[in-house]
Amino acid sequence: NAGVTQTPKFRVLKTGQSMTLLCAQDMNHEYMYWYRQDPGMGLRLIHYSVGEGTTAKGEVPDGYNVSRLKKQNFLLGLESAAPSQTSVYFCASREGRSETQYFGPGTRLLVL
Amino acid sequence: DAKTTQPPSMDCAEGRAANLPCNHSTISGNEYVYWYRQIHSQGPQYIIHGLKNNETNEMASLIITEDRKSSTLILPHATLRDTAVYYCIVSRGKYNFNKFYFGSGTKLNVKP
Repeated sequence: NAGVTQTPKFRVLKTGQSMTLLCAQDMNHEYMYWYRQDPGMGLRLIHYSVGEGTTAKGEVPDGYNVSRLKKQNFLLGLESAAPSQTSVYFCASREGRSETQYFGPGTRLLVL
Repeated sequence: DAKTTQPPSMDCAEGRAANLPCNHSTISGNEYVYWYRQIHSQGPQYIIHGLKNNETNEMASLIITEDRKSSTLILPHATLRDTAVYYCIVSRGKYNFNKFYFGSGTKLNVKP
């Protein structure tokens, strides 16, 4: 049982490039979340999903897209990366009846 | 969701109790108080949550004032491994898809 895993762990992009961050969970959780954390700050919610095939916007969704084609995976896409998107990205998942979110180890993204 | 206010940092001696305060004066009747912590740069970890009664688990105790405008997280016997940023979050929980808005948290320094 690996819990929540994130791929890649670290990535460097040039401005304008695109990429996809993958979050996978093996706990059969219905809910999944993407957060970003800038230096010295708390996490901010980007997008979330309440089940396979559904997604919704969080606090800071601009510049990101998401997809949840399979229950165990939640993808975060950057179509045209900007330096302001340099951050650490955390994914989390939660079982429907539980109040506890389980977080992944994070992906560090640097946009030059 | 209601906003929370936490001191930016606190120190605690190893083996002593750590009492972390949180103000949430605008909390509404259906909002829960959650505590998470983030050790170094790892993904946040759930600690405890409550609505109006005091709660205790194997990690910590949560004391919520009668008017629910503030709360205190208590780590009964702090160890060096408890050094982390502690986040107090107020949310309607499952009734709002468990969307969390993290503030800057309190950096707890446990000293030998």
